Amino acid sequence: NAGVTQTPKFRILKIGQSMTLQCTQDMNHNYMYWYRQDPGMGLKLIYYSVGAGITDKGEVPNGYNVSRSTTEDFPLRLELAAPSQTSVYFCASSYSDYSTTDTQYFGPGTRLTVL
Amino acid sequence: GQQVMQIPQYQHVQEGEDFTTYCNSSTTLSNIQWYKQRPGGHPVFLIQLVKSGEVKKQKRLTFQFGEAKKNSSLHITATQTTDVGTYFCAEGGYNKLIFGAGTRLAVHP
Repeated sequence: NAGVTQTPKFRILKIGQSMTLQCTQDMNHNYMYWYRQDPGMGLKLIYYSVGAGITDKGEVPNGYNVSRSTTEDFPLRLELAAPSQTSVYFCASSYSDYSTTDTQYFGPGTRLTVL
Repeated sequence: GQQVMQIPQYQHVQEGEDFTTYCNSSTTLSNIQWYKQRPGGHPVFLIQLVKSGEVKKQKRLTFQFGEAKKNSSLHITATQTTDVGTYFCAEGGYNKLIFGAGTRLAVHP
């Protein structure tokens, strides 16, 4: 199993550009998450999904969009990049039976800089 | 706002010294998870605590969940340079985790 994979590893964007961060998991997990981590800080939840076709906002959703058309993929879209979105983005997945929170498995992260 | 507070934010120790990080909440936690993130890496799951007063050990790491399920701690005995990183606690609620800000551990050889 590759686990959770993310592409790209690094990206530099200009203000106003758009991009999609890709995330794929091969563990057949129903839950997937997107976090951002600013330098020296903790993880903030952007969006999450409890299954294909279902997404919900986390703590800091503004400026981002997601979709979940398959169990495996959970892309994160930045429409108009701003310097405040400079961060490291982690995708994670877990299996849950909807009654409790299970272990999350994280991808290696995408380091994004907006200039 | 943040529901779990971690202290300290940062600690540096000499190799061989012990280290403890604390996770506190004003509300009862359903469960608590601990993750470790090495510098430049991604968070990796360490353990989950569910029961009141639960204590679990992993080699030199001891995890505790308070009797009132409002706090948790991670204790490392005789730190090694491989323990360097940031340790996060996370409150496990329905559907998602809420992470604390983390405690960054530096170990001087």
